[in-house]
Amino acid sequence: NAGVMQNPRHLVRRRGQEARLRCSPMKGHSHVYWYRQLPEEGLKFMVYLQKENIIDESGMPKERFSAEFPKEGPSILRIQQVVRGDSAAYFCASSPLWTGTETQYFGPGTRLLVL
Amino acid sequence: TQLLEQSPQFLSIQEGENLTVYCNSSSVFSSLQWYRQEPGEGPVLLVTVVTGGEVKKLKRLTFQFGDARKDSSLHITAAQPGDTGLYLCAGAGGKLIFGQGTTLQVKP
Repeated sequence: NAGVMQNPRHLVRRRGQEARLRCSPMKGHSHVYWYRQLPEEGLKFMVYLQKENIIDESGMPKERFSAEFPKEGPSILRIQQVVRGDSAAYFCASSPLWTGTETQYFGPGTRLLVL
Repeated sequence: TQLLEQSPQFLSIQEGENLTVYCNSSSVFSSLQWYRQEPGEGPVLLVTVVTGGEVKKLKRLTFQFGDARKDSSLHITAAQPGDTGLYLCAGAGGKLIFGQGTTLQVKP
């Protein structure tokens, strides 16, 4: 059973470009979470999605950031008009359903570097 | 706002020593998870504790959840160089709230 898959593992963008980060959850998992880890900091929650629904986006910046989890295909975190401050590691996690204990399994992350 | 305070932030010890990492909050969590993260990789789940007062053991690692489900500790016995890494606690309440992490270095 494959784990959480993320691609690309590394992404370099110039200021003003768009970044698209993809996440395929573990098989059978219908809940996806995105987190951001800045250098020397812990992980910060961004958004929680189920298929075709955004459940909690309280950690998403109000502008330039969006996320989706379509009926078919991976979850996408999209960052428009990237700035240097967006440089970070972005992690996706998945869980099978909301059980109250919410054990989440993480992917290897996408490291975004904005030049 | 729920916060998790993790201490210490950095720990450098000799092989064979024991250590304890603490994770404290003023908030109650439905569960608490401990992860280990290697450089360039994602966090890997070590354990989930759910019940207040629960103790779980994973080889030389002992995890405890506080009676009030607000705090937790990770104790490592006879640390080895392979234990080196970033240890993260995370409280669950719809989303995971992470502590700042404890960077552990075990020197041979």
